Amino acid sequence: EAGVAQSPRYKIIEKRQSVAFWCNPISGHATLYWYQQILGQGPKLLIQFQNNGVVDDSQLPKDRFSAERLKGVDSTLKIQPAKLEDSAVYLCASSLRLAGATDTQYFGPGTRLTVL
Amino acid sequence: KQEVTQIPAALSVPEGENLVLNCSFTDSAIYNLQWFRQDPGKGLTSLLLIQSSQREQTSGRLNASLDKSSGRSTLYIAASQPGDSATYLCAPEGNQFYFGTGTSLTVIP
Repeated sequence: EAGVAQSPRYKIIEKRQSVAFWCNPISGHATLYWYQQILGQGPKLLIQFQNNGVVDDSQLPKDRFSAERLKGVDSTLKIQPAKLEDSAVYLCASSLRLAGATDTQYFGPGTRLTVL
Repeated sequence: KQEVTQIPAALSVPEGENLVLNCSFTDSAIYNLQWFRQDPGKGLTSLLLIQSSQREQTSGRLNASLDKSSGRSTLYIAASQPGDSATYLCAPEGNQFYFGTGTSLTVIP
């Protein structure tokens, strides 16, 4: 079974530039998560999708961050414009998460963003 | 908001030792709790998932316990090996997952 794919693996940009990250979850997984992990901290949930609908985006800085999951499969996370404090690893995860069920999240390798 | 604390922040042990990692959380209204492993430069790998109705889960040399009422979970690693060196994160799930900052484990050959 193929795992969660993310690209790019690394990105370096200047502040105020825009950047986009892509995630392809495990086939058949209904739920997709984007996390931000700042160095030395645990991952923080940014947004959770169930199929192509948003379940939770309460911690997404909506003035600069946006995410979409068209057709309920792969997803894109965008930052526009980037700030220095956005430097972090952006992790994508997916799970089967049928309604009401509890199951394991599978994580991709992450995208390491450096904002200069 | 859920606050998750992991103690110790770092741990170094000789190979073969048994060890315990601790996780505490402030909101006991959780559905489950997961323990993850993170290797440097990589994503997270789920180790164990404990449902809120369970008290423990075992997988190989790993055993995780959950005391929801007191807001505590422990991860027990038996007969540690150098390959166990990684950061271990706990994540209780309520309305969303909240991760601790992790325990960085080094097993010395």
